[in-house]
Amino acid sequence: EIVLTQSPGTLSLSPGQRATLSCRASQSVSNNYLAWYQQKRGQAPRLLIFGGSSRATGIPDRFTGSGSGTDFTLTISRLEPEDFAVYFCQQYGRSVTFGGGTKVEIK
Amino acid sequence: QVQLQESGPGLVKPSQTLSLICTVSGDSINSGGYYYSWIRQPPGKVLEWIGYMHSSGTVYYIPSLKSRLTMSLDISENQVSLQLRSVTAADTAVYYCSRSRWPMGPWVVWGRGKLVTVSS
Repeated sequence: EIVLTQSPGTLSLSPGQRATLSCRASQSVSNNYLAWYQQKRGQAPRLLIFGGSSRATGIPDRFTGSGSGTDFTLTISRLEPEDFAVYFCQQYGRSVTFGGGTKVEIK
Repeated sequence: QVQLQESGPGLVKPSQTLSLICTVSGDSINSGGYYYSWIRQPPGKVLEWIGYMHSSGTVYYIPSLKSRLTMSLDISENQVSLQLRSVTAADTAVYYCSRSRWPMGPWVVWGRGKLVTVSS
């Protein structure tokens, strides 16, 4: 099983700041089959990025996915108030596993 | 626009069967060749994908749940169902139904989720 480790666990930032979230895989993720989701309290996850770097339909361009192999990054260029949430990564190259999540909170 | 809605009992006793239904609206379940997955999230824990049901009837269950799990389609009702037998407290979770063009995601369309608590 591919284990995904996300860091940091919590990111305390102010609106307008840049957020950089990491997702590290225990083995290489084939074909960069790595997705990022945003989840707010009491809601289902929302797909942001798939294939490591492709934005899902309707996702603002302040969200950028990058990386390959075992190291992936989600960058939010300028945090908007609605971006404060929990972010998960998911690999779908070999079965499915999810990371533990990074909470982006208001500082 | 397609929508998914999970329904079923919110409380199940240990050793009994957890049964959930995912009702699909806005599209026919047997059109387009979609995979309908169930994903669960125990309180405060990581998401766990537990398997899929393809609109053709093909199923896949993760090995750790295979012996207790059944998924099925009801074309006439436009529903996908989940049955998990012999439940324990470890099966307490929010259960999500989701849809994708691919067997293992990623998933754009999700239901709102159904919290199922296993407790006597």
